[in-house]
Amino acid sequence: DAGVIQSPRHEVTEMGQEVTLRCKPISGHNSLFWYRQTMMRGLELLIYFNNNVPIDDSGMPEDRFSAKMPNASFSTLKIQPSEPRDSAVYFCASSVQGAGERYFGPGTRLTVT
Amino acid sequence: EDQVTQSPEALRLQEGESSSLNCSYTVSGLRGLFWYRQDPGKGPEFLFTLYSAGEEKEKERLKATLTKKESFLHITAPKPEDSATYLCAPLKNTDKLIFGTGTRLQVFP
Repeated sequence: DAGVIQSPRHEVTEMGQEVTLRCKPISGHNSLFWYRQTMMRGLELLIYFNNNVPIDDSGMPEDRFSAKMPNASFSTLKIQPSEPRDSAVYFCASSVQGAGERYFGPGTRLTVT
Repeated sequence: EDQVTQSPEALRLQEGESSSLNCSYTVSGLRGLFWYRQDPGKGPEFLFTLYSAGEEKEKERLKATLTKKESFLHITAPKPEDSATYLCAPLKNTDKLIFGTGTRLQVFP
């Protein structure tokens, strides 16, 4: 079975541009998580969904960040407008609700110049 | 405030030289604790879940243990392929996972 799929794997954009990151969770998983990883702050939870509904978005840093999950097999994380301090690796993870273990995708490395 | 501290930040071992990684935490509403392995350029990979003090889990050369305030990841006779960053993550009863900043392990032949 395929794991969590993320696209693109690398994104380089200029400050002020809109960035959209995509995630396909593992089939049968009903919880989806977006994390950001930097050297300074490690892995931080941005937002998570249960059954396509956002449950906790307290980790979303600013209104420039938004996330959607229109169906059980697809989610997006959008940054508009992007800033250099948004440069990081963004991970999507999925799990069975309440099971605990998250299964992570390969990540999207975002560079904002 | 919830806090997770991993030590050491980095560890260099000779192949076969056993050691332990530490994860100490102060987390309200703790439900369990997870260990993950992360290789460069990849997402974290699940290793273990521990739910109660005194519990132990083993996988190949790795053994994870849990007390009320900390967890240890013991590595016995490590090999170069064990080189990675090891992350611990307490799980809250709100289903929120809080990651430590990790221990970067390098094992030399």
